[in-house]
Amino acid sequence: QVQLQQSGPGLVRPSQTLSLTCGISGDSVSSNSAAWNWIRQSPSRGLEWLGRTYYRSQWFNDYAVSVKSRITINPDTSKNQFSLHLNSVTPEDTAVYFCARGRIDSGDYFFDYWGQGTLVTVSS
Amino acid sequence: DIQMTQSPSSLSASVGDSVTITCRASQTIVSFLSWYQQKPGKAPKLLIYAASSLQSGVPSRFSGSGSGTDFTLTISSLQPEDFATYYCQHSYSNPFPFGPGTKVDIK
Repeated sequence: QVQLQQSGPGLVRPSQTLSLTCGISGDSVSSNSAAWNWIRQSPSRGLEWLGRTYYRSQWFNDYAVSVKSRITINPDTSKNQFSLHLNSVTPEDTAVYFCARGRIDSGDYFFDYWGQGTLVTVSS
Repeated sequence: DIQMTQSPSSLSASVGDSVTITCRASQTIVSFLSWYQQKPGKAPKLLIYAASSLQSGVPSRFSGSGSGTDFTLTISSLQPEDFATYYCQHSYSNPFPFGPGTKVDIK
């Protein structure tokens, strides 16, 4: 059974960097058949996919255009986890952040396991 | 970007009712469409992928259909634990957007 455990601060100051970590059990961040995603949810933007990291003989990253200039997602193979860093945050980045495992089946890419969610508030 | 819409935005139903939720894409997404259920304070839960494939462990009263731009999620006999918000999501292209959601509550 795959489990994802999120950690990180719930309050970030404007213009600073939001950093969250997602620990993986029951799978490997280096899996050749999964991808590791960050998704956020806010009343104004709904559910919004932010990006992913995955390993296919080398590491790849994909990011949503809306955050591409500000986001980094990094794998940590020594701890079997991955992290989100979103810099230059504004109050618009206030949301519940989820990590999720992405998988492909029948050509479709979907999120089958999710972390518990972290409410991150951007405020001074 | 391909936009997703859902209808209705909310509905009221009784236990035992059959419920259908519609999701429409702004252009074809073939069958790259998933459905999720979310309860307050919880993460979304995968129900259906590839438009009609039931995720392991999900009750068979949930079913999905459609291809191209129009898709449906049907709950054949609504149970008390099914009152929640339902989202569609496509994976045809980055950024894999979700629909705005359909809230199903008790009549």
